[in-house]
Amino acid sequence: SQQGEEDPQALSIQEGENATMNCSYKTSINNLQWYRQNSGRGLVHLILIRSNEREKHSGRLRVTLDTSKKSSSLLITASRAADTASYFCATGGDSARQLTFGSGTQLTVLP
Amino acid sequence: GAGVSQSPSNKVTEKGKDVELRCDPISGHTALYWYRQSLGQGLEFLIYFQGNSAPDKSGLPSDRFSAERTGGSVSTLTIQRTQQEDSAVYLCASSRILADNEQFFGPGTRLTVL
Repeated sequence: SQQGEEDPQALSIQEGENATMNCSYKTSINNLQWYRQNSGRGLVHLILIRSNEREKHSGRLRVTLDTSKKSSSLLITASRAADTASYFCATGGDSARQLTFGSGTQLTVLP
Repeated sequence: GAGVSQSPSNKVTEKGKDVELRCDPISGHTALYWYRQSLGQGLEFLIYFQGNSAPDKSGLPSDRFSAERTGGSVSTLTIQRTQQEDSAVYLCASSRILADNEQFFGPGTRLTVL
């Protein structure tokens, strides 16, 4: 079963706007990662946030983590058409080495 | 190579046939993972190799699925007597053994079982 659930399932915005995607999970984690996938092929790692961190930035990406609510958000600022992709959150546990992925948010950025 | 490579990129087979999917991880990465992604879905964990340890096979959906990793590098995922529900993109990833466990993914093999 999926550990993470992304919200919304699909998001459509205009170029230049900000996009916010949320992820909720169920069990304790060591870290939470966000990945991007274009056209149903390989995933690209975007950013990792550890369980003892609350916020992290990387370029136009901002990730927050609230372990008390078991939730995370990914904010993409000043979106571009090239940001169009599926975005997945994935959780890493203390003992399990494999990541548990959510079902993803399909982001469409309109030019 | 610079990244994880997988072959073939696409595979079309008939129901009942066996298929082999190959993964070449990043050099020096001791952990290797196989995932399956059905159309429009998230990734489903299949199997995990770490160094010389026994693999974690807890995600394999049936005994028709098996995987090997030879010499701690290349891995082969084998699906015997394929069924239509096996149609999916099979993704391989590798990582160094660090607590953060960032995984690097290959481009995937799209398997279609007719």
